[in-house]
Parts: sequence; structure tokens; C-alpha cells
Amino acid sequence: GQNIDQPTEMTATEGAIVQINCTYQTSGFNGLFWYQQHAGEAPTFLSYNVLDGLEEKGRFSSFLSRSKGYSYLLLKELQMKDSASYLCAVRDGGYGGATNKLIFGTGTLLAVQP
Amino acid sequence: DVKVTQSSRYLVKRTGEKVFLECVQDMDHENMFWYRQDPGLGLRLIYFSYDVKMKEKGDIPEGYSVSREKKERFSLILESASTNQTSMYLCASSLPKRGYNEQFFGPGTRLTVL
Repeated sequence: GQNIDQPTEMTATEGAIVQINCTYQTSGFNGLFWYQQHAGEAPTFLSYNVLDGLEEKGRFSSFLSRSKGYSYLLLKELQMKDSASYLCAVRDGGYGGATNKLIFGTGTLLAVQP
Repeated sequence: DVKVTQSSRYLVKRTGEKVFLECVQDMDHENMFWYRQDPGLGLRLIYFSYDVKMKEKGDIPEGYSVSREKKERFSLILESASTNQTSMYLCASSLPKRGYNEQFFGPGTRLTVL
């Protein structure tokens, strides 16, 4: 079956570092995405990993280990505006052709406190 | 800038009504998707389309149908709305599965069925 697990909620302090974990078990794999979603808004793309290792993008980094079915999103120098839900999504490699189908986790709600 | 628009931000309908949710994207994307998002369940794929007049069932297609007569427009139809279809509906579009072609999301339609 298809399963993506993330913690439901996390709390962190402004200026600190937080790591949001994601584990997945899917029938196929063709990349892992992280999205940010503020309350009442659409998800927006943060990062993409398809090979093992760390991808860094400013204050945000994302790591992937395909053999372990594991990823994490690292947020540094936390700001109040980082309070949002963070969605982990795996691109399904099983469907033929060019379909860019994603399987989403339930999301991690991050609260950044002063 | 990619823009995905949805016809309404908020919609209230009665049980048994036929409901149309419209989505338009302006970036000539081949792939389009309809999701619903519910607390604790995350984003679940209802239907997707990888080309004009092509459609495929997602994970929860029951009670829904779709139409894609033009490349830029993807409509979700609730044939006979029921209270368990009260949800946030999100449309997304993307280029075909290549590299990090992420999905771009519309602002969402919050549908309430009374």
C-alpha cells in the first residue's frame, strides 16, 4: 500500500532550528516534494529530492534516503512567518507516461513561538 | 508566474444539488489535478488529467466526475452533493513528470453542503 507518515504537530522557538521528518512506503518512487501551506491558503512548493543527500535552499534544506524511505525538512533561523503546515509528498513512479501524480502525507503543523 | 484560479473561494450548496467547480491555469500545463483536503486526512486525489479529454481516477473518485474540454480548464462535478462532500477542494496543474516539475495549486474552494 501507499503510506506517508509525518508528525501531526511541532512547536519551535523563533531563531531556532527545527527538523520535520517524513517516512514513506510507496509502490513506486520518482522524487519527494515538500510544500508549505499557510492557514487558508494554497500549498506552495519548497523543495524536491530525487537522489540521496541534502538539498539546501536558503534557510530551508531537505534530505532524502531512498534506502530508508526517509526524508526530513530542516528549517533554520526560524521566523514567526514559518508557522504553517508542511506537507511531504512522494511522486508516484508507478503510473506510466508523463503523469506527475503525487501522494501526500497528512502534513505537520508547525507553530513558531516568540 | 504560474497562475491557477478557481471559480469560487466559498460555496454553499444543498444536498442533492449538482455542483460545478471550475479550475483554470494559464501556463499551458498538460497535467491537472483535483484534490480534497480534510483535517487529519491531508490532500487526497480525486481525479487527474494528463491531456485534453483524458481523465484518470485518483484515490477517492466516488461521487465525483470531471471534464477537460480545453487544456487550460479542468472542471470537477458533484453529480448529487452530499454532506460528506463538505471539504476544501484544491486544483493543481503541472508540466509532465520530468525533474522537479512541481504542482502549482489554486487558492481552493471551501464547499459546504447543507
